Amino acid sequence: AQSVTQLGSHVSVSEGALVLLRCNYSSSVPPYLFWYVQYPNQGLQLLLKYTSAATLVKGINGFEAEFKKSETSFHLTKPSAHMSDAAEYFCAVSGRGSTLGRLYFGRGTQLTVWP
Amino acid sequence: NAGVTQTPKFRVLKTGQSMTLLCAQDMNHEYMYWYRQDPGMGLRLIHYSVGEGTTAKGEVPDGYNVSRLKKQNFLLGLESAAPSQTSVYFCASSPLAGGLPYEQYFGPGTRLTVT
Repeated sequence: AQSVTQLGSHVSVSEGALVLLRCNYSSSVPPYLFWYVQYPNQGLQLLLKYTSAATLVKGINGFEAEFKKSETSFHLTKPSAHMSDAAEYFCAVSGRGSTLGRLYFGRGTQLTVWP
Repeated sequence: NAGVTQTPKFRVLKTGQSMTLLCAQDMNHEYMYWYRQDPGMGLRLIHYSVGEGTTAKGEVPDGYNVSRLKKQNFLLGLESAAPSQTSVYFCASSPLAGGLPYEQYFGPGTRLTVT
């Protein structure tokens, strides 16, 4: 089965600083990859997705992620953090074959933004 | 469009009681999913459905049953609730794109407490 590892369960940055949230996946075949954001007491909202087109993917709210096959990584970045970015972020990888249609989620990274 | 809706938003059960959570989507999506979210565990798939009248087990199916009698609805049942089922439950749906399932759209969640 596919799996995703998010390095760092908590990340803290100052407002205006670079945001870097790390995600590594396990797959022998390049999969579809997703980043979701969850604000307190809400469901998950799609930030961006990689579907084997451009390796640099731009999402909503100024976030972007780069697919690096050689590193099996899909890290999420934002050049300048805003207070409103404080939330939990989940990386997910798609299933294949008999698990097609499933998403496998990482355990999440809680982003705190300090003023 | 309402997107994905979940009923109820909150529920408290006593051990041994039963209940059904309702998920509805108005986007004509083929795939539907039930997840549970626990602190530090990310999202874990309980059951999912690839179409009307079909269901399949996910990662943590024990103690839960599901039914998808109509394309737009996906029901999650707890026959005999246990404190270990205290969690936040999310429903999601996914369209097909090019014959393949695509990103998932999430509901707002149901917070269930079993005492």
